[in-house]
Amino acid sequence: KAGVTQTPRYLIKTRGQQVTLSCSPISGHRSVSWYQQTPGQGLQFLFEYFSETQRNKGNFPGRFSGRQFSNSRSEMNVSTLELGDSALYLCASSRTAGANVLTFGAGSRLTVL
Amino acid sequence: GQQVMQIPQYQHVQEGEDFTTYCNSSTTLSNIQWYKQRPGGHPVFLIQLVKSGEVKKQKRLTFQFGEAKKNSSLHITATQTTDVGTYFCADQTGNQFYFGTGTSLTVIP
Repeated sequence: KAGVTQTPRYLIKTRGQQVTLSCSPISGHRSVSWYQQTPGQGLQFLFEYFSETQRNKGNFPGRFSGRQFSNSRSEMNVSTLELGDSALYLCASSRTAGANVLTFGAGSRLTVL
Repeated sequence: GQQVMQIPQYQHVQEGEDFTTYCNSSTTLSNIQWYKQRPGGHPVFLIQLVKSGEVKKQKRLTFQFGEAKKNSSLHITATQTTDVGTYFCADQTGNQFYFGTGTSLTVIP
């Protein structure tokens, strides 16, 4: 059974650019949530999607957005990148919304120069 | 929002020594999960505690949930080099997870 797949694994962007990250959840998992991990702030919740609907959103500016497709795959987008957006972006899937076990992907490491 | 604090932030131990990380919240926790993240890796679910005063064991790992459901601990007996990583607790309130700040464990062989 394949795990949570995130692409790309690594990417480098410059300030002002935008980036799109992709997450394919475990087959049968319909909930996808996104987290930003930085050394200073730890793991911070970005948003959660279930059945193509955003159910929760963390305390991040509107430059951070996401969506979920009918096959449960999810994308997150960050526009007008800032240096502080450099982080590991982790996607986690769970069988249902509000389920209490998260299975994380390997993450997408974004560096903003 | 919900804040879950963990202490210590870093811990270095000699192989064979014990290790404990504590998770504390100012509010009552619904349930608590523990995750481990190896260096360069991603968080992996270890266990969930739900009941007040609950204690669960996984081999050398012992997890406890406080009686007031405001704190939790993870204790590792006789650490091994494979225990290296960052241990996070996480509280699930509603549909959102709040992760603790993590404890980074280094095991010196």
